[in-house]
Amino acid sequence: DQQVKQNSPSLSVQEGRISILNCDYTNSMFDYFLWYKKYPAEGPTFLISISSIKDKNEDGRFTVFLNKSAKHLSLHIVPSQPGDSAVYFCAGGGSSGSARQLTFGSGTQLTVLP
Amino acid sequence: ETGVTQSPTHLIKTRGQQVTLRCSSQSGHNTVSWYQQALGQGPQFIFQYYREEENGRGNFPPRFSGLQFPNYSSELNVNALELDDSALYLCASRPGGAPNTGELFFGEGSRLTVL
Repeated sequence: DQQVKQNSPSLSVQEGRISILNCDYTNSMFDYFLWYKKYPAEGPTFLISISSIKDKNEDGRFTVFLNKSAKHLSLHIVPSQPGDSAVYFCAGGGSSGSARQLTFGSGTQLTVLP
Repeated sequence: ETGVTQSPTHLIKTRGQQVTLRCSSQSGHNTVSWYQQALGQGPQFIFQYYREEENGRGNFPPRFSGLQFPNYSSELNVNALELDDSALYLCASRPGGAPNTGELFFGEGSRLTVL
């Protein structure tokens, strides 16, 4: 039972353009969602999060959008830079039941081409 | 401030053997969790320790066990290794007591290969 799904295993974008990474979830108990970035041979690092009561959170070049009715979130990176090339994981979490621990998607490999 | 450190970084075992992986949490963090990341998958929650007690467990069999020590460092033990246990094992810490926002601080991981 995949509670968090990232259906695109890879995405290539030209430098300077927008990158849009998508994520779908099924668990209605998630209170918050996060995006993590992972470079090879490194652990995942936190990028940005959003509470389930918000529909948008912005931090510099990174914006996360949440559509609760569709159980869908997306990460927008504008403008994309070659250093953004990494695997991006979305995750959901909460304070009760099955949401108490982070559940991760399978990741999307983003490649930003110079 | 020292981040999360894990050891060993790589190891190879054979089926049926036992393995112990170690983790030092980030300074000031008393909550440690372990994740298994199989190839091409996202991290999957194994269990969490808070103040030396397990307070959450994912869908992993009992041969996956852990410990947390008074200095908040932690161990993951896996008995009777199977080929499917081959994965990257990630340790993550966060400060306990504060509201859980989901932000975790991960180590670089221990890459386990079971032959």
